[in-house]
Amino acid sequence: QKEVEQDPGPLSVPEGAIVSLNCTYSNSAFQYFMWYRQYSRKGPELLMYTYSSGNKEDGRFTAQVDKSSKYISLFIRDSQPSDSATYLCAMSPQAGGSYIPTFGRGTSLIVHP
Amino acid sequence: DGGITQSPKYLFRKEGQNVTLSCEQNLNHDAMYWYRQDPGQGLRLIYYSQIVNDFQKGDIAEGYSVSREKKESFPLTVTSAQKNPTAFYLCASSNDIYGYTFGSGTRLTVV
Repeated sequence: QKEVEQDPGPLSVPEGAIVSLNCTYSNSAFQYFMWYRQYSRKGPELLMYTYSSGNKEDGRFTAQVDKSSKYISLFIRDSQPSDSATYLCAMSPQAGGSYIPTFGRGTSLIVHP
Repeated sequence: DGGITQSPKYLFRKEGQNVTLSCEQNLNHDAMYWYRQDPGQGLRLIYYSQIVNDFQKGDIAEGYSVSREKKESFPLTVTSAQKNPTAFYLCASSNDIYGYTFGSGTRLTVV
């Protein structure tokens, strides 16, 4: 079993839909959780960064962490075609350069007009 | 603007040839990383460096080499010992707290 599991998709939704992207993990030591967005042929960019459990909201994006279930989610409200990208989750037991995050494989999202 | 610059964007390597990928950052980050990305396989760590003149192997270091002579620079050499080098290579840096900043990547193709 991989430490971080993420469905590769693709996930195809109509414009305006609410999108739910998810990762499960097995290492209970993970406390820092990140979501990156990667457009085709570009480097990933950090979208959301959360610590421990709970929700964090930023505009149309909400990151949710459920440590009891070892499950994290990224919700996108009012999805737009410009949201079409690959979304990678990442997690780490501590923050810091010596703690290398474990990445999921990424979920490909397609938002069609 | 601060960021990470990777060059070249596209690189072609002949069999038996060594090639070097450039990564420069002006974010004043201490830690820098090299990842390889293949379709369906996610990001795989090649090498990382937390301070100048020091670096550690990642999960797939065989066939690669790095140097860290300056804080701003972390070049990656893909040697002829790397038998399957065709991939998308990503450089990243970190300030220890807020995750990685990635470059735009270099696509390496063997011809």
